[in-house]
Amino acid sequence: GESVGLHLPTLSVQEGDNSIINCAYSNSASDYFIWYKQESGKGPQFIIDIRSNMDKRQGQRVTVLLNKTVKHLSLQIAATQPGDSAVYFCAENPNAGNMLTFGGGTRLMVKP
Amino acid sequence: NAGVTQTPKFQVLKTGQSMTLQCAQDMNHNSMYWYRQDPGMGLRLIYYSASEGTTDKGEVPNGYNVSRLNKREFSLRLESAAPSQTSVYFCASSSRVGNQPQHFGDGTRLSIL
Repeated sequence: GESVGLHLPTLSVQEGDNSIINCAYSNSASDYFIWYKQESGKGPQFIIDIRSNMDKRQGQRVTVLLNKTVKHLSLQIAATQPGDSAVYFCAENPNAGNMLTFGGGTRLMVKP
Repeated sequence: NAGVTQTPKFQVLKTGQSMTLQCAQDMNHNSMYWYRQDPGMGLRLIYYSASEGTTDKGEVPNGYNVSRLNKREFSLRLESAAPSQTSVYFCASSSRVGNQPQHFGDGTRLSIL
């Protein structure tokens, strides 16, 4: 995942629009990926995961896309709502059976 | 449906003081983790416990110790707190290490003066 230091990239969308949040991962051997949502003052909340033998997985209003060729992961949120405002970050498992590595995150702001 | 519970939620320490952060999970998970999160940074693993009775170092273990008290509880201890340890600390658990989602508590916000 990307490490962005002190300044998180921000995505601002209009309520009702679709959001796409991107993550570039670093290890071509990574075989498992997760998206988390973190609201202010809260712990990370699991949204959706995907294994490397898949390129797409859908949940409720969310879709994760995995492009192994360019080592890119994206989270699509349909009909974005004010409650979706949060920091979203991806995590990868670069070694089978071992630890997740977390990216720095993207802040999603939803305008009413 | 408590999930992962961390105590305390907030704490202020003076340099050199010691403190133990507590974590308990009620999901019957085998594996537990301690992370720190600094402003604008990703989560960094301090220590983890793959199963009851085992603990291992993560990416940033210096200055910390852990105890896996039983299957439910995993504590993090700062023996001599330093200002560099000011951070938000998260505990997480998963059914096992590896390709499984980790479930997080709401964190302990620790300031060291």
